[in-house]
Amino acid sequence: GESVGLHLPTLSVQEGDNSIINCAYSNSASDYFIWYKQESGKGPQFIIDIRSNMDKRQGQRVTVLLNKTVKHLSLQIAATQPGDSAVYFCAENFAHYGGSQGNLIFGKGTKLSVKP
Amino acid sequence: KAGVTQTPRYLIKTRGQQVTLSCSPISGHRSVSWYQQTPGQGLQFLFEYFSETQRNKGNFPGRFSGRQFSNSRSEMNVSTLELGDSALYLCASSLSGQGGEKLFFGSGTQLSVL
Repeated sequence: GESVGLHLPTLSVQEGDNSIINCAYSNSASDYFIWYKQESGKGPQFIIDIRSNMDKRQGQRVTVLLNKTVKHLSLQIAATQPGDSAVYFCAENFAHYGGSQGNLIFGKGTKLSVKP
Repeated sequence: KAGVTQTPRYLIKTRGQQVTLSCSPISGHRSVSWYQQTPGQGLQFLFEYFSETQRNKGNFPGRFSGRQFSNSRSEMNVSTLELGDSALYLCASSLSGQGGEKLFFGSGTQLSVL
């Protein structure tokens, strides 16, 4: 899910299909990862998170997979709906639990377009 | 429970002016972070406040500053505006800003510098 400037990678899917959005993260020490959804004119909306001691986490219609070996994160959306159309960002954080959150490092985003 | 509230929603300024943006966190949240979002650079961390103290700062010039009040509300200020400061400025809040906490964003203030 990396890109530069306005040229966001775009994933176009048919309504009802499953979507997979990928993200390569940068810091091997990162231990907390989040997926956000951003619709036009709105701020990023929290979707799901995962800690580095897990490799899979499921939510409602969404699943996040973490592969620390290759520093890769993916978001799977089941039965994609038109309302899922948005830009999706992955974010990483070296959380060092109990300490300061520091800052989230965001990927450039992937635009998901759902065709009815 | 109300979400993160940012005001104003839109701002138009000219080069050289200064601007102040406001953020009210989710009730009970004591940590407030600010991010800048542009098409070219994406989302970049500006700074984070907790208990009226700046705990972390991103790689932005000193023209960007902020503060947090005792009620956890926060403001950020940009002085001597430049064209490149045009961006969506996002505020986010979390309970205590500890590692691994969920971070919730407002809808942002869209700043245009002419």
